[in-house]
Amino acid sequence: DGGITQSPKYLFRKEGQNVTLSCEQNLNHDAMYWYRQDPGQGLRLIYYSQIVNDFQKGDIAEGYSVSREKKESFPLTVTSAQKNPTAFYLCASIGTGAGELFFGEGSRLTVL
Amino acid sequence: RKEVEQDPGPFNVPEGATVAFNCTYSNSASQSFFWYRQDCRKEPKLLMSVYSSGNEDGRFTAQLNRASQYISLLIRDSKLSDSATYLCVGARPYDYKLSFGAGTTVTVRA
Repeated sequence: DGGITQSPKYLFRKEGQNVTLSCEQNLNHDAMYWYRQDPGQGLRLIYYSQIVNDFQKGDIAEGYSVSREKKESFPLTVTSAQKNPTAFYLCASIGTGAGELFFGEGSRLTVL
Repeated sequence: RKEVEQDPGPFNVPEGATVAFNCTYSNSASQSFFWYRQDCRKEPKLLMSVYSSGNEDGRFTAQLNRASQYISLLIRDSKLSDSATYLCVGARPYDYKLSFGAGTTVTVRA
């Protein structure tokens, strides 16, 4: 079955540590996205990538980094520079032709 | 100003009622619009794409008003299972950056 896989689903880290969240899709989608959602809030765009080896900052990119070395993969690193990293992180992808945006099940990061 | 804004609600309605809410967008460059449904602590899932002429899918009707820059969603004959947060999404055509509204919470009570 095609879809998006995010891992880990739950993650606990100490303050000051970098964390990398994995996002893999087998939908052959070109565009991939990372969103952050805080309790009771909407989705805020962190980074997005329309093609391999290219990505753009979203609205809240500070303290985050990404790479897009393969079409299937778009990992997100939450660095120690991110002041308030505890949140629900969602990865998504979309094919050409403006079709449906598919989401992974999300990763819940808690920084202690 | 946010690109996409929604009334957060909550809309608390009895089963069988009709509930409707809007989403406004500020970027006239947005060309494609969608409604997503998100259940508590889950990922959003596509409910409907919104077409210029308006579209209907069972009990759900979506409309787009480009002149006034808003999108609406109407739910008829509400079911308990319709309780969720409904997210409005606008997409720019040239780079396909998607902007989400903060969501409208609907609670259907028995």
